[in-house]
Amino acid sequence: DAKTTQPPSMDCAEGRAANLPCNHSTISGNEYVYWYRQIHSQGPQYIIHGLKNNETNEMASLIITEDRKSSTLILPHATLRDTAVYYCIVRAQGAQKLVFGQGTRLTINP
Amino acid sequence: GAVVSQHPSWVICKSGTSVKIECRSLDFQATTMFWYRQFPKQSLMLMATSNEGSKATYEQGVEKDKFLINHASLTLSTLTVTSAHPEDSSFYICSTVSPWGGDTQYFGPGTRLTVL
Repeated sequence: DAKTTQPPSMDCAEGRAANLPCNHSTISGNEYVYWYRQIHSQGPQYIIHGLKNNETNEMASLIITEDRKSSTLILPHATLRDTAVYYCIVRAQGAQKLVFGQGTRLTINP
Repeated sequence: GAVVSQHPSWVICKSGTSVKIECRSLDFQATTMFWYRQFPKQSLMLMATSNEGSKATYEQGVEKDKFLINHASLTLSTLTVTSAHPEDSSFYICSTVSPWGGDTQYFGPGTRLTVL
């Protein structure tokens, strides 16, 4: 699986949009970008995934650059409950393994 | 998304004893489940892939005789930590692959194991 690079930590004010970047410059054509988050002492929670088009669901938006070498997860109106470690993972279609990096520790401040 | 449960949520045991952790897929049948381990302030590491009806596949460096995996049914996988030692203290998390969301993995809430 391609590796990803994320900033180790970020801060965001409550109510503002949180934009979490991820670099995946070695991504292959059949690899999807997945985002999970892990709130302290809980299992990871699936957020969103995409291949090349931008995606949006009730939790977040995923913006993937045209060359697919990077992406941004957007939490439109961050709340205190969004404080968590966010993991960006690339995985080929049909591949079963998820390889977790160190993620970004996002802290939402009141 | 898929609902995955784990039991117990936390367990404390004495060194040398064995501990069994259950992972259940509550709303669909899962032929494949995954077991991860997470040490404090570290990321998740895949330990093994549990396959219903066949032997589990272990990642490199994971002792299969120490971490016994049994995929007893299409909704239940168990991880038994045998002869546990303090260095086995960790957060153990399972996941399943949803049949509805492509091959998206959904995770259980985790089990905190503390070996005294």
